[in-house]
Amino acid sequence: EVQLLESGGGLVQSGGSLRLSCAASGFTFTNYAMNWVRQAPGKGLEWVSGISFDGDYTYYAGSVKGRFTISRDKSKSTVYLEMKSLRAEDTAVYHCVRGYCGGTSCYTKDSWFDPWGQGTLVTVSS
Amino acid sequence: QSVLTQPPSASGTPGQRVTISCSASSSNVGSVYLYWYQHLPGTAPKLLIYRNNQRPSGVPDRFSGSKSDTSASLAISGLRSEDEGDYYCAAWDDTLSGWVFGGGTKLTVL
Repeated sequence: EVQLLESGGGLVQSGGSLRLSCAASGFTFTNYAMNWVRQAPGKGLEWVSGISFDGDYTYYAGSVKGRFTISRDKSKSTVYLEMKSLRAEDTAVYHCVRGYCGGTSCYTKDSWFDPWGQGTLVTVSS
Repeated sequence: QSVLTQPPSASGTPGQRVTISCSASSSNVGSVYLYWYQHLPGTAPKLLIYRNNQRPSGVPDRFSGSKSDTSASLAISGLRSEDEGDYYCAAWDDTLSGWVFGGGTKLTVL
């Protein structure tokens, strides 16, 4: 069974930093892109960042570019989201999502979101 | 402002057929695949339709997707109370070099 388990969320002050982790299991981690998608309270889904299956390509939403960094560790089957200069508007549930393309060697732009983790809550206090 | 526009709400009675639209404002999005996700209360979002009209295994055939130029639709037939929740369309935007979601449509089963 494919499982994505996020951790690292919590309460942080505006301007602070936080690192989210997502431990993946039940599939060959190195075959798939990975993404982070967030949902602010009362708002819709917003894609935050994605990384290709091999880690060579990373993408970011304009709202987080320059502040967030996505990375992956194939030895731990884990994807990370390093968040700096956090703002109140970054408050959200952050979901780790596999990028599935129907085959192997999945790139962020060619894959879709399946499955989704339950998410971890990040609260930025101002 | 979302590149993908959805109606904020939709509703139907059990057994009815409802459709949710998704309109792309950018030709960069209109030329690519559209995807649909279901987000039910208290659960993680779930893939419903990929590549415009493909249904993953496990998704009932009550759900179907279609796309024409810069607009797409999700149709749900035989509406059930457990279908109540939020539905999102999504697409890759080459100009933004990122994924974009529609604003979401809240489906109410009356």
